[in-house]
Amino acid sequence: ETGVTQTPRHLVMGMTNKKSLKCEQHLGHNAMYWYKQSAKKPLELMFVYNFKEQTENNSVPSRFSPECPNSSHLFLHLHTLQPEDSALYLCASSPSGGDSSYEQYFGPGTRLTVT
Amino acid sequence: GQNIDQPTEMTATEGAIVQINCTYQTSGFNGLFWYQQHAGEAPTFLSYNVLDGLEEKGRFSSFLSRSKGYSYLLLKELQMKDSASYLCAVRDSNYQLIWGAGTKLIIKP
Repeated sequence: ETGVTQTPRHLVMGMTNKKSLKCEQHLGHNAMYWYKQSAKKPLELMFVYNFKEQTENNSVPSRFSPECPNSSHLFLHLHTLQPEDSALYLCASSPSGGDSSYEQYFGPGTRLTVT
Repeated sequence: GQNIDQPTEMTATEGAIVQINCTYQTSGFNGLFWYQQHAGEAPTFLSYNVLDGLEEKGRFSSFLSRSKGYSYLLLKELQMKDSASYLCAVRDSNYQLIWGAGTKLIIKP
């Protein structure tokens, strides 16, 4: 595997379910990100981890809970979601979180539908 | 507030040239990125500008004017595979990436 991988690619869940999204990067990067992408809206940054420490939480509801056990893996735990949470969830990584010149490398995303 | 503006959709013809504009108002500036995103796929990095001027990379070029808060992405010799969304993003003074909503580019034969 190379680059950034995400599983599952598609997920349908009820509002009372609990599920987790997984992201893994094989690039040796130290920063990882969760984004939400809704149709015709800008990417919304949700969480940032730099060297396994959470450095950003952009007022995300507590029904979304991130976990970063090491620099290569990132999880997003979901519970009691709402239909408006249906979106594409993208994971990204970069060499570090602070350097302005580094681009981010994205995974293919998980298409989440909340019923 | 911080804002990135780009057209929602553009149409161009195969073999032609198209310019996608991006204007921004952000708290500080630490670089501007362009990404390409095909439907159902991950965004992929195209270009990075931090100084004024034109950066050329094959068929794609990106221009920046910091004084005008303006950038454009120029695509030459358009191919059908260039049909995608093009995302403009600015890194602000806190090194946060502020994203535009993207421009969907449709290429017609």
